Amino acid sequence: KQEVTQIPAALSVPEGENLVLNCSFTDSAIYNLQWFRQDPGKGLTSLLLIQSSQREQTSGRLNASLDKSSGRSTLYIAASQPGDSATYLCAVRTSGSRLTFGEGTQLTVNP
Amino acid sequence: DVKVTQSSRYLVKRTGEKVFLECVQDMDHENMFWYRQDPGLGLRLIYFSYDVKMKEKGDIPEGYSVSREKKERFSLILESASTNQTSMYLCASSSTGWGDWGNTGELFFGEGSRLTVL
Repeated sequence: KQEVTQIPAALSVPEGENLVLNCSFTDSAIYNLQWFRQDPGKGLTSLLLIQSSQREQTSGRLNASLDKSSGRSTLYIAASQPGDSATYLCAVRTSGSRLTFGEGTQLTVNP
Repeated sequence: DVKVTQSSRYLVKRTGEKVFLECVQDMDHENMFWYRQDPGLGLRLIYFSYDVKMKEKGDIPEGYSVSREKKERFSLILESASTNQTSMYLCASSSTGWGDWGNTGELFFGEGSRLTVL
């Protein structure tokens, strides 16, 4: 059974800092991996999708990498801003169409 | 842009009531999902549908049923609401992820429905 772990559970950084969020998974036979952002009381917003054949994806200040062999993905946020404060979740699709989600990392960027 | 719309953002219901949560997507996605999200328990899959009239149980289907009569609409039904079903309910949709180029299988969520059962 696929298990997804996100470390740390919470992170507080000053504005402007570059930061890395980590996601690890136990079954490397994944179809894709997706990073989401969730603001309090809202749904999840898709940030980046990495297919199993890809190593990384970039969108603006966000860069996500994927290392299937080690079962790891990282989400890099450059020049963090207070508006980046949210919970970030990763999810992997192993087979069929179901995803397995991590518990998320709660990020606070302080002005 | 893909849009997944959940009919109600906030609902308050009484124990024993029948509750309908509606979800509509506008991208002709084959797959639709219902999750619930609770503090400390993360996202848990209730039911999944991969085609019209097709459904598959998720991890926590007890106390719930679903209906998918049209491709764009997926309904979650609480036959007799109980207080332990107080939660945030999230609908999502995705394409299959295989076949045509551009069919990425990316998952898109609605805004969520916060249900309180008294």
